[in-house]
Amino acid sequence: AQKITQTQPGMFVQEKEAVTLDCTYDTSDPSYGLFWYKQPSSGEMIFLIYQGSYDQQNATEGRYSLNFQKARKSANLVISASQLGDSAMYFCAMRAAGGTSYGKLTFGQGTILTVHP
Amino acid sequence: GAVVSQHPSWVICKSGTSVKIECRSLDFQATTMFWYRQFPKQSLMLMATSNEGSKATYEQGVEKDKFLINHASLTLSTLTVTSAHPEDSSFYICSAKDRLPRNEQFFGPGTRLTVL
Repeated sequence: AQKITQTQPGMFVQEKEAVTLDCTYDTSDPSYGLFWYKQPSSGEMIFLIYQGSYDQQNATEGRYSLNFQKARKSANLVISASQLGDSAMYFCAMRAAGGTSYGKLTFGQGTILTVHP
Repeated sequence: GAVVSQHPSWVICKSGTSVKIECRSLDFQATTMFWYRQFPKQSLMLMATSNEGSKATYEQGVEKDKFLINHASLTLSTLTVTSAHPEDSSFYICSAKDRLPRNEQFFGPGTRLTVL
């Protein structure tokens, strides 16, 4: 079974500062994918970044980067130069390896990020 | 990115009635669609996986007779909450993927169900 853990229920950051949102995972599958999604108060799920288990380099997408430490089974999200619009709930998720479950996502508990001006 | 729509965006119904929620992929063919439920300030919980032309696969603890899923075409999946009760009030979100091994999964905007 796969498990995703986000231990920070809430995080606060000053505008223009960087912030790290923690995510650890557990799986017995050798192949897996890790995702981060942003969910603003409107409820929509916005894809931010993806890291494959065999990717050698950490993923980056604009101001988002994923600090992937495979041995520690962690996939922390780093947001640089925080903006007020970054205030939202953030979810870490893992995708099942394959077969009929391919595409199925298991989500962490989420972290509410608040950016202060 | 690809677009997934959901209809309605919100619905209020009386206890005992049935509610149908539609999930459509607007610009791609979705071989698989997923239905999630989210209670306030909680995580998304997968309810079922819907594959076009076959029966849905339900997660443990999800009543298949309560939450009817139909994936009759490559662009439409429906979730029907039968005999809804106040405890079924929640945010229901669908996601869809196409045949390609994409890394991104496309989510609908969600449907907020309130059962009185």
